[in-house]
Amino acid sequence: DTAVSQTPKYLVTQMGNDKSIKCEQNLGHDTMYWYKQDSKKFLKIMFSYNNKELIINETVPNRFSPKSPDKAHLNLHINSLELGDSAVYFCASTRDRGFTDTQYFGPGTRLTVL
Amino acid sequence: AQSVTQLGSHVSVSEGALVLLRCNYSSSVPPYLFWYVQYPNQGLQLLLKYTSAATLVKGINGFEAEFKKSETSFHLTKPSAHMSDAAEYFCAVVSNSGYALNFGKGTSLLVTP
Repeated sequence: DTAVSQTPKYLVTQMGNDKSIKCEQNLGHDTMYWYKQDSKKFLKIMFSYNNKELIINETVPNRFSPKSPDKAHLNLHINSLELGDSAVYFCASTRDRGFTDTQYFGPGTRLTVL
Repeated sequence: AQSVTQLGSHVSVSEGALVLLRCNYSSSVPPYLFWYVQYPNQGLQLLLKYTSAATLVKGINGFEAEFKKSETSFHLTKPSAHMSDAAEYFCAVVSNSGYALNFGKGTSLLVTP
């Protein structure tokens, strides 16, 4: 069974559209994250949730809104997509909010905005 | 702010040769450091982590890293490269908030026959 899964794997859309990326973890972890990896492979934290509570919200446009219906899911909704949003988005989870925990990453969602 | 710098965006080694990937950190507190690997079209996977115990840390797939406070370094090594080691390698440090990681820009390792 996949520990951290994301859907879809690829997402191609037009500028101005609204889209969502879903993430689920079956590890029983309490904390989940969204990272953005740009075309130069630089990874940057976007959000973190612990038990459905937002604990990290980096400087991200408010067009990006995370939603955590339960601690096993953390979805990312993006409004009014822009060309610069094209990237690979990774979901990750850790057992709790401890900073020494191993992060388990999903396979990524490659978003292309045309 | 806690950050890491990876020296060399691309490293090429021959199969069987030593692998050395460099990472220097900047941290106002004792750092917690990680190395992750990303194989093509996959998510990241933990190789090893330093959490202030032993300064020489052994990880998976024969990799190890040594924490050197005097040099603010956490370089990743492997004695003998395999073709399967070709991947992107990321050094990371726990962020100011303590609840996420700040990643370096990555080093792409190429292994030639």
